[in-house]
Amino acid sequence: NAGVTQTPKFQVLKTGQSMTLQCAQDMNHNSMYWYRQDPGMGLRLIYYSASEGTTDKGEVPNGYNVSRLNKREFSLRLESAAPSQTSVYFCASSAGVAGANVLTFGAGSRLTVL
Amino acid sequence: KNEVEQSPQNLTAQEGEFITINCSYSVGISALHWLQQHPGGGIVSLFMLSSGKKKHGRLIATINIQEKHSSLHITASHPRDSAVYICAVSNPLNFGNEKLTFGTGTRLTIIP
Repeated sequence: NAGVTQTPKFQVLKTGQSMTLQCAQDMNHNSMYWYRQDPGMGLRLIYYSASEGTTDKGEVPNGYNVSRLNKREFSLRLESAAPSQTSVYFCASSAGVAGANVLTFGAGSRLTVL
Repeated sequence: KNEVEQSPQNLTAQEGEFITINCSYSVGISALHWLQQHPGGGIVSLFMLSSGKKKHGRLIATINIQEKHSSLHITASHPRDSAVYICAVSNPLNFGNEKLTFGTGTRLTIIP
């Protein structure tokens, strides 16, 4: 099925461990995004990539790095996980063209940092 | 004050009722999105609109740019409509990249 695929769906880490969340889309979208969702708060943008080869910080980038490996793939890395990074993470993509920017979301990745 | 406010936060209704969820925003926007988050966690885009009204099946979204307000209506509600409905607005300076500001959502429960 066409869409956004993100892995893993669940992960438990200890403080200080590192991990990478993977995201891939097969819709030939230009723009990709990483959001985190915390209880009682709206989705918040961590990083985004407007096109292949470019990345930019969002609202809450501290403690994260990203790589836009190619047009399809956009990964999110936690170098040294902290309990404050316990959250549900969503990858999303959009065409990145004015007037055609409906977002398509992945299924989410639930991360717990102990 | 948040840039995007939704009301109510929680809504419980009987099957068949007409549902209205409201979204108010305080900034200039290029477009407003309505999203649905299923109980299992997945998020689906329902509408993106910048003026007027859009309809898809039993769902209707309206926006009043002058009043900075949007509503999502569900006609003949059904238990499968139970979900969290999220409003989000896009900054006109970033139109094309869709860096959205999200509301905290309205949790809708439809009782059979």
